Amino acid sequence: EIVMTQSPATLSVSPGERATLSCRASQSVSSNLAWYQQKPGQAPRLLIYGASTRATGVPARFSGSGSGTEFTLTISSLQSEDFAVYYCLQCNNWPRTFGQGTKVEI
Amino acid sequence: QVQLQQSGPGLVKPSQTLSLTCAISGDSVSSNRAAWNWIRQSPSRGLEWLGRAYYRSTWYNDFAVSVKSRITINPDTSKNQFSLQLNSVTPEDTAIYYCARSGHTGEAYDYWGQGTLVTVSS
Repeated sequence: EIVMTQSPATLSVSPGERATLSCRASQSVSSNLAWYQQKPGQAPRLLIYGASTRATGVPARFSGSGSGTEFTLTISSLQSEDFAVYYCLQCNNWPRTFGQGTKVEI
Repeated sequence: QVQLQQSGPGLVKPSQTLSLTCAISGDSVSSNRAAWNWIRQSPSRGLEWLGRAYYRSTWYNDFAVSVKSRITINPDTSKNQFSLQLNSVTPEDTAIYYCARSGHTGEAYDYWGQGTLVTVSS
């Protein structure tokens, strides 16, 4: 199965700053990569699919890029509600596999 | 607006069967576009896709190898819902279980249930 590796494990940033999260696949997943945000006690929320397409209702400060094995989620100016854990998911091969998450903290 | 509402017990004894249901509103379990998935999350295993059911003129299932011998996912068209059964559970099956839809945003899971914490303990 494809292993998804996220870095860093924890990212400490201040409100208003830019955050860059990375996700690496153990083999190519083309552009079949999604990003999720999860807050405590909630289900994951889809932010990005197809590596760079924002899901409905997702603010423009969230952007995704990359293809093949290297992907990035960028939050251009962190808002208080953006502090959460972020996961990547590869949707190219079976079984679908998630990264272990990056916690974005103040 | 699609909503997925989960129900089922939060405590299951070892060796018994875990059973959860996911009721769908705003879409159909018989959709020719969607697939209906179960995913779980635990500190030790992270987020883990377990399996799916979907309708493309007939019903299909796919399952993760790790649970393939123990899992059943069944649609219920009369109630517009689908269910998860996981047999012979052990404490390692303790997790938050989610139902989720895929098929409308590539293969990503766009709508999720609220999650059910299932603890396997005697």
